[in-house]
Amino acid sequence: ETGVTQTPRHLVMGMTNKKSLKCEQHLGHNAMYWYKQSAKKPLELMFVYSLEERVENNSVPSRFSPECPNSSHLFLHLHTLQPEDSALYLCASGDTGDWDSALHFGNGTRLTVT
Amino acid sequence: AQKITQTQPGMFVQEKEAVTLDCTYDTSDPSYGLFWYKQPSSGEMIFLIYQGSYDQQNATEGRYSLNFQKARKSANLVISASQLGDSAMYFCAISPGTNTGNQFYFGTGTSLTVIP
Repeated sequence: ETGVTQTPRHLVMGMTNKKSLKCEQHLGHNAMYWYKQSAKKPLELMFVYSLEERVENNSVPSRFSPECPNSSHLFLHLHTLQPEDSALYLCASGDTGDWDSALHFGNGTRLTVT
Repeated sequence: AQKITQTQPGMFVQEKEAVTLDCTYDTSDPSYGLFWYKQPSSGEMIFLIYQGSYDQQNATEGRYSLNFQKARKSANLVISASQLGDSAMYFCAISPGTNTGNQFYFGTGTSLTVIP
């Protein structure tokens, strides 16, 4: 399998549920990212992991908890979400320190919080 | 601070015609990369083309070309010979050379519809 793979593609959860999003990259990159995409808004960077260490956390609520066990895998743990958290969550991988290197994205997880 | 502006929320183009999608940017970094992505309704962000701030020539990639005007801080995407499969959202992004974590800043996107 190649590229960046995200599971699940779709997720519906209640506000009291706990769920996790999974991302896997097969490109040999040293950084992985979580982005949130809401309608009519620019992509919002949530978390960046470079060499498995978190380097950016753009004031994301604590109900979102990332985990990066190695350079190929990235998780986003979700708990007690709010309806406004419904969005498309995109995972990406890239090479830090190489600013002319494109990010490569997965297909995204479309999350609906009821 | 970095900023990407895409002023066209929606564009229409006749099949086989060319179309230009606008992108202006603002950065104080002397070196940076500019990127265009395509997002079909399936959701995946597909990398299309890259332009480095020091590149003398405009980037081209198949039917995609980038009209880079550094003094104007614009990086417009030109799609030639439009196809029905080009209908999608298109996002412009900048990656400043000095940022840690290779952070990308995206615009709000332009929705392109190709008319048969």
